[in-house]
Amino acid sequence: QVQLVQSGAEVKKPGASVKVSCKTSGYNFIKYGVSWVRQAPGQGFEWMGWISTYNGETKYARKFQGRLSVTADTSTSTVYMELRSLRSGDTAVYFCARDPTSRWLQDDGFDIWGQGTMVTVS
Amino acid sequence: DIQMTQSPSAVSASVGDRVTITCRASQGFSDYLVWFQQKPGKVPKRLIYSTSGLHPGVPSRFSGSGSGTEFTLTISSLQPDDFATYYCLQHAIFPRTFGQGTKVEIK
Repeated sequence: QVQLVQSGAEVKKPGASVKVSCKTSGYNFIKYGVSWVRQAPGQGFEWMGWISTYNGETKYARKFQGRLSVTADTSTSTVYMELRSLRSGDTAVYFCARDPTSRWLQDDGFDIWGQGTMVTVS
Repeated sequence: DIQMTQSPSAVSASVGDRVTITCRASQGFSDYLVWFQQKPGKVPKRLIYSTSGLHPGVPSRFSGSGSGTEFTLTISSLQPDDFATYYCLQHAIFPRTFGQGTKVEIK
């Protein structure tokens, strides 16, 4: 079945970087882009960025420009999110989710999510 | 950026009540709006896609409607399992934007 499986929890010191993986399975990887979203403790959701798994095009939220990189490895059907210069405000659960942009697939937008990865900056 | 203003932020309701949650967008967009339910510590669960499509397996008491700048999630008869927080998300335009959430609590 369609799955997105994320890497495990991380604890980082301020100023460090974190790289979270999102391994996909059960569907054609290059047909669906992937978005990253985070949720700070007790808060709502914040969209961070997106990658086209077809051609590697990326889109980032303005607040993360220069600090966020989203990459994709088609050989392993895995998407990565790297956030640099971590601060305490980056403590959150990070999720990946399917986010297609093709008109024929957009009904599938955000249908499948990873299980979440807790990143603690302390 | 499209701002999504979700209301109310919380609602107290009883089992059997009809509950309506609204998301208003700062500018109009096509119907790529989804509604999620989230329970504490859990992954969000998609309820509605493309404004009014019912996600497979989701009970028919959930429905979505709207267009342009105003979108609505309705729970026709609240059940015990429905006490949770609900979010809208537009994925028509980058950056994607979420509503702030509505917590549905037991009255």
